[in-house]
Order: sequence, then C-alpha cells, then structure tokens
Amino acid sequence: AQSVTQPDIHITVSEGASLELRCNYSYGATPYLFWYVQSPGQGLQLLLKYFSGDTLVQGIKGFEAEFKRSQSSFNLRKPSVHWSDAAEYFCAVVSPSGSARQLTFGSGTQLTVLP
Amino acid sequence: EAGVAQSPRYKIIEKRQSVAFWCNPISGHATLYWYQQILGQGPKLLIQFQNNGVVDDSQLPKDRFSAERLKGVDSTLKIQPAKLEDSAVYLCASSSLGGVSYNEQFFGPGTRLTVL
Repeated sequence: AQSVTQPDIHITVSEGASLELRCNYSYGATPYLFWYVQSPGQGLQLLLKYFSGDTLVQGIKGFEAEFKRSQSSFNLRKPSVHWSDAAEYFCAVVSPSGSARQLTFGSGTQLTVLP
Repeated sequence: EAGVAQSPRYKIIEKRQSVAFWCNPISGHATLYWYQQILGQGPKLLIQFQNNGVVDDSQLPKDRFSAERLKGVDSTLKIQPAKLEDSAVYLCASSSLGGVSYNEQFFGPGTRLTVL
C-alpha cells in the first residue's frame, strides 16, 4: 500500500528566511506527487505537482519542489517565506494508473512564520 | 468559475444523533470525492463517485456512513448514528473525467463536525 511520511509536524521560520518541508513516500513505482496548502477554514489548494520529466517543479506562490527518486522524496522549498505562507502543508501521492486514482495524504506540516 | 460548494460549514451534534452534509461540485465534473480529515491528520478518502456510480468506498464505515449522488451532480454524506470519533472536517472534492490521465481534484471548504 502506498504511504506518505511528513516527518516534521510543526516548523517555525522567520519571515524572509528560506523554507524546506520534507516528504517521503513509499510506493511500488513512481507515483504522481503533489503538495497542497490548507489555510484555516479553507479547503486544500494545489501548490504544485510532479508527473514525470524535469525533477524540479515550480508551483504557485513562489514554491518549488524537487523529486529525488533515489531518496523517494519530494521536498517543498521556498527561498523567502512571507507571513501569509503560515498554513498547513500536505504532501500527497496518487497512482499513475488505474481507475480509482485516490489521493493518499501525509499527516501534514504546520508552518508558523515569525515577524 | 464557481468552486466546490459545501454546507453546512459547521455542525455540532451529540453522539448517537444523525447528520448530513451536502456537496455541489464544479459544473461538469463527473468525479466526486468525500474525504474525512481528523485533527492532526491528512485527509482520508471515504468514497469516490463517477457520475452517480461508486468507484471506491472501501474506507467508508458502512455501518454508520452512507453517501449518495443520485443525479450525478450533488452529493450527500450522512452519518447515523454519530460517534465521538467522527469529529472531523469532511471535505468534498471534484474532478473532470480523466480516462487514462489524472485530472486535478478541486476541494471545497469543508464541513467541520463536532460530536459531543
């Protein structure tokens, strides 16, 4: 069964500092990979996705993520964090084939941004 | 383009009561999903519909949860009777019909259920 691990439950950074959120997955083949953001009272918003090709993907709001097959990782990065980035971040995977295509989410990383 | 609509946004009930949640997907989206998100966890799929048929309900606790999408548009998720452990945010998502390709899921704002 596929699984996603986000080892950091909570991360605190200062505004303007760089950010890296970790994500590791367990799957038989390379799944499709996603990062979502969830602000309080809001639904999940897709930041970026990786299906194939270039292993460095750019997303919205200045985020990027790098797929590393050898490490089964898909870490999210941002060079300079803004106060509005405070939210919960979820890594997710989905099977590249089949009919069900359900998203499997990690447990999330809560990001706090200090002024 | 209107997003996925859900109601109510908040609901507080006592255990053993019944509750229903409503979801209206993005117009034209054939696939609809219900997720349960318990505090401190990521969303977990409960049920997936394609048009008005069930694709996957393997993680739906069928002794107390039921869901329907009668006309292939709106959907209702019901819990009867509710337990304390059902306290969670219930998220609805929809996507267009992808065939062999994967289409992005768009999420609604969720319904926060508190069971006392």
